[in-house]
Amino acid sequence: QKEVEQNSGPLSVPEGAIASLNCTYSDRGSQSFFWYRQYSGKSPELIMSIYSNGDKEDGRFTAQLNKASQYVSLLIRDSQPSDSATYLCAVKGSQGNLIFGKGTKLSVKP
Amino acid sequence: GAVVSQHPSWVICKSGTSVKIECRSLDFQATTMFWYRQFPKQSLMLMATSNEGSKATYEQGVEKDKFLINHASLTLSTLTVTSAHPEDSSFYICVPWGNTEAFFGQGTRLTVV
Repeated sequence: QKEVEQNSGPLSVPEGAIASLNCTYSDRGSQSFFWYRQYSGKSPELIMSIYSNGDKEDGRFTAQLNKASQYVSLLIRDSQPSDSATYLCAVKGSQGNLIFGKGTKLSVKP
Repeated sequence: GAVVSQHPSWVICKSGTSVKIECRSLDFQATTMFWYRQFPKQSLMLMATSNEGSKATYEQGVEKDKFLINHASLTLSTLTVTSAHPEDSSFYICVPWGNTEAFFGQGTRLTVV
């Protein structure tokens, strides 16, 4: 059973701090990784995709991938209250579907 | 970005009735459509995968006769929940797959009373 694991949280950080979200996956052959943000009652929205080892930066967001450790993370710099949401890690499966973690709930306190 | 239209966004139905959820990719062609559902405080779980013109492939534990999927064209797929029961109450999301990434419908909140 291919799995994606995340800490459920909640992760609470003060406004302006760095939020660090972590994810591990079980399928060593996975090649595509995604971070989604989901507000309560809404559909997920794509934040970042990453395919190669190392860091990928987009604005306040940095995704980090380490295939040897089967680990992918998301850093959010200068966290804002509007960043409060559940963050879903997803890995593309062999059938092209996305396999999701259970999500980490982030709370940014003003 | 690509536009996906899913409706209805929410529906309340009586136990035993059927509900159809429609998903359209408005500006791209989706050869593959994934249907997910999400129970409260749970992750998105894949229900089935459909390819245009073919029968859907269902995940283990998902009844194909209860959740009817039609993917008749590259821009339209439907999910019909037949003989709905309260335990089918969930958030259903269609995810058409474009060339390089997945695009999410807005989701349908189904409540069966």
